[in-house]
Amino acid sequence: KNEVEQSPQNLTAQEGEFITINCSYSVGISALHWLQQHPGGGIVSLFMLSSGKKKHGRLIATINIQEKHSSLHITASHPRDSAVYICAVVNNAGNMLTFGGGTRLMVKP
Amino acid sequence: EPEVTQTPSHQVTQMGQEVILRCVPISNHLYFYWYRQILGQKVEFLVSFYNNEISEKSEIFDDQFSVERPDGSNFTLKIRSTKLEDSAMYFCASSPGLAMHEQFFGPGTRLTVL
Repeated sequence: KNEVEQSPQNLTAQEGEFITINCSYSVGISALHWLQQHPGGGIVSLFMLSSGKKKHGRLIATINIQEKHSSLHITASHPRDSAVYICAVVNNAGNMLTFGGGTRLMVKP
Repeated sequence: EPEVTQTPSHQVTQMGQEVILRCVPISNHLYFYWYRQILGQKVEFLVSFYNNEISEKSEIFDDQFSVERPDGSNFTLKIRSTKLEDSAMYFCASSPGLAMHEQFFGPGTRLTVL
C-alpha cells in the first residue's frame, strides 16, 4: 500500500511570497496528481505528471521518480490561492488514486 | 466546458436506510470513480469502473456498496444499509483514460446519516 505524505500540513504566507508544498510516496507509481480543494469542498485537478516539470500560470509542479518526491510551487502567491492542496498518486495499474492528507494554505493580503 | 455533475448536493438519511448517489460523468469519458472524504480526513478511493464493470475497489467498498451505470449517462453509488460512519462527502470523477489522464471531479454529495 502506498503511503503519501505531504508537508507542511498548514502554511500561512504573505501575498507575493513563493510557496512550496512537498509530497513523498513510498511505492512506485505511474503518475501523480496535484489537486486543489476549496472551502466549499469541490476538488479541481491542477496537474497530472509522471516525470519532469509542468507549469500553468503561476503554478509549477515537479516530480522526481527516483526519489519518490514531488513539489508544487506557487509564485507570487495571492489570497485567492488559499485552499487545501492535495497530492494523489496513481497505482501502476492506473486505476486507483491514493491521497495525501493535504496542505492547508492561507495567503494573507 | 464539460463538467461532472452530482445529485443531490446534500442527502440526509436515517441509519439503516438505503441511499443512491448520482453522478453524470463527462460524456466521452470511459473511466469512472467514486471517492469519499470523511470530515477532516483524507480523500479515500472507493471504486473504479470501466466497460460496465468494477476494475478496482478498496477495502472500504464492502458488500454494502454497489455501483451501476444504468443508462449510459448516469453513474450511481448505492449504499444498502447506511451506518453513522458512512457520513462523508462523496465525490464522483471521470477520465478519458487511465493513469496518464486527468480525472475530473464532481462537486460532491454530502451524506449525513442520523
